Amino acid sequence: EAGVVQSPRYKIIEKKQPVAFWCNPISGHNTLYWYLQNLGQGPELLIRYENEEAVDDSQLPKDRFSAERLKGVDSTLKIQPAELGDSAVYLCASSQGGVAGELFFGEGSRLTVL
Amino acid sequence: EDQVTQSPEALRLQEGESSSLNCSYTVSGLRGLFWYRQDPGKGPEFLFTLYSAGEEKEKERLKATLTKKESFLHITAPKPEDSATYLCAVQEVNNQGGKLIFGQGTELSVKP
Repeated sequence: EAGVVQSPRYKIIEKKQPVAFWCNPISGHNTLYWYLQNLGQGPELLIRYENEEAVDDSQLPKDRFSAERLKGVDSTLKIQPAELGDSAVYLCASSQGGVAGELFFGEGSRLTVL
Repeated sequence: EDQVTQSPEALRLQEGESSSLNCSYTVSGLRGLFWYRQDPGKGPEFLFTLYSAGEEKEKERLKATLTKKESFLHITAPKPEDSATYLCAVQEVNNQGGKLIFGQGTELSVKP
């Protein structure tokens, strides 16, 4: 069974440019998460989806970040415009409903903002 | 505020040298405590879930234990392939949706 797929794996952009990350969760997983991981730190939740509904986006900086999960499957996370401090790894994860804490993570998208 | 602190930040062991990693947590009510392993350039990989004080889980050379304030990940006779960052995370009891609060991780290096 395929795991969580993310793309691109690496992205280098100039500050103020836009960037988008894509995630395809494990088939049948209705819950999808976007986490941010800075170097040497644990992941921090940005947004959580139950099917196509964003049920927790309290940590998402809404002035520059946006996300969508059309049809309750794939998801896209966008940053516009990017700032130097956005350099980090953006992790997507999915889980089955009712299984607390057992998240399946993708390999992440590493963003470098110059 | 919910908080998770892991120690040490880094641990270097010789192959076969057993040790323990610590995860201290502060939550208003614990729904679950989770251990993950993260290899360089990869996403975290789920290892264990612990729900209540006194609970223990084992997997190969790893054993996780839980008290009311902390969890330990014991590594018995580690091998070089156990080298990774180990992350601890908690879920608060009122959070039904799986939001995890992660610690900063312990980077384990096992030398042959």
